[in-house]
Amino acid sequence: AQSVTQLGSHVSVSEGALVLLRCNYSSSVPPYLFWYVQYPNQGLQLLLKYTSAATLVKGINGFEAEFKKSETSFHLTKPSAHMSDAAEYFCAVRPSITQGGSEKLVFGKGTKLTVNP
Amino acid sequence: KAGVTQTPRYLIKTRGQQVTLSCSPISGHRSVSWYQQTPGQGLQFLFEYFSETQRNKGNFPGRFSGRQFSNSRSEMNVSTLELGDSALYLCASSEGSGPNSPLHFGNGTRLTVT
Repeated sequence: AQSVTQLGSHVSVSEGALVLLRCNYSSSVPPYLFWYVQYPNQGLQLLLKYTSAATLVKGINGFEAEFKKSETSFHLTKPSAHMSDAAEYFCAVRPSITQGGSEKLVFGKGTKLTVNP
Repeated sequence: KAGVTQTPRYLIKTRGQQVTLSCSPISGHRSVSWYQQTPGQGLQFLFEYFSETQRNKGNFPGRFSGRQFSNSRSEMNVSTLELGDSALYLCASSEGSGPNSPLHFGNGTRLTVT
């Protein structure tokens, strides 16, 4: 079964520093990949999705992710962290072989990002 | 466009009771999925409905059930509640336009079982 692994359950950065959140997927075929963010007491918000049209994907709030097939990775980055980026981030994969066209997502365990002033 | 709406936001129930959670998808979205989120297990897929038919189901006991109505609104039901059912239940909808179609989530229903 396809899955994603997020390295680091907690990441702490200083305001203005680079944000790097890691995600590796397990798949023998190119999967469909997504990054979501969850703020306290809220649902998940889509940051970006990999569409296979480009390996570097730009999302909202200045985030981007690069798909690297050779490393089976889809790491999320942001050049300069802002206090408002403090949240939990989830990488998700949609199995490329789905049951009846199902749009089920398989999520990683999440990475909690802390931004220090 | 209004987002995904889940009601109620918070619920407290006693062990052994049953509960029904409601979800209204984004207008025009035909696919509705449900996920359970807990600190220990993370986000786990419960089930997915498309045009009133269950299209996929996760590994949860039969106490967890759901349905979708003709207007795409969905409900999930949990019978004989257990303490371990305490969680944030998230509903998500999508256009159902293909594998790149993202899920749009509601703010969830926080269920506490005492």
